Amino acid sequence: AQSVTQPDIHITVSEGASLELRCNYSYGATPYLFWYVQSPGQGLQLLLKYFSGDTLVQGIKGFEAEFKRSQSSFNLRKPSVHWSDAAEYFCAGYSGSARQLTFGSGTQLTVLP
Amino acid sequence: DGGITQSPKYLFRKEGQNVTLSCEQNLNHDAMYWYRQDPGQGLRLIYYSQIVNDFQKGDIAEGYSVSREKKESFPLTVTSAQKNPTAFYLCASRGDTEKLFFGSGTQLSVL
Repeated sequence: AQSVTQPDIHITVSEGASLELRCNYSYGATPYLFWYVQSPGQGLQLLLKYFSGDTLVQGIKGFEAEFKRSQSSFNLRKPSVHWSDAAEYFCAGYSGSARQLTFGSGTQLTVLP
Repeated sequence: DGGITQSPKYLFRKEGQNVTLSCEQNLNHDAMYWYRQDPGQGLRLIYYSQIVNDFQKGDIAEGYSVSREKKESFPLTVTSAQKNPTAFYLCASRGDTEKLFFGSGTQLSVL
């Protein structure tokens, strides 16, 4: 089955440290991949998306993600984390004509002062 | 301002009761979606609609029903057949791009 997997349930980093959140996908064709962020009790906000072309995509709030076909990964990165980045992050994707997003189980990010 | 609105923010259901969650959008989007979110399980698709008067079951449609009589509205009914309805429900819409716009969600709890 086509799916998206986030292996880390919870990650804690110190403010100012770098961040990498992992996402792995299993799609036959090149997928469309997304990263969303969710604050408590709120909806989801799109951080960035990858469809094709340049494998390093830039998003909002200083986030970036790199599509690596050889590793079936689309990891989210940020060079220096701010306290306001504490939230839950979801990787999502779909492939081909199935325009239904499949979401990973999410990674909860805690930022220490 | 254009956006997608869900109401109510909190909803309580009694045993055997049907409840309806509202989702309205003024973005002129054709496609609308309902997701259920449980802790540690991410978002799971309940129903989606690509166009008015048409909708399709998602991965966990049992115990839910929807209608799409107007482009702007996609209400979700949680029926008494849904035995574990406590969850956070998110509505989303999509226009010509691949970006989903989400509402702020409805937390449903059982009394």
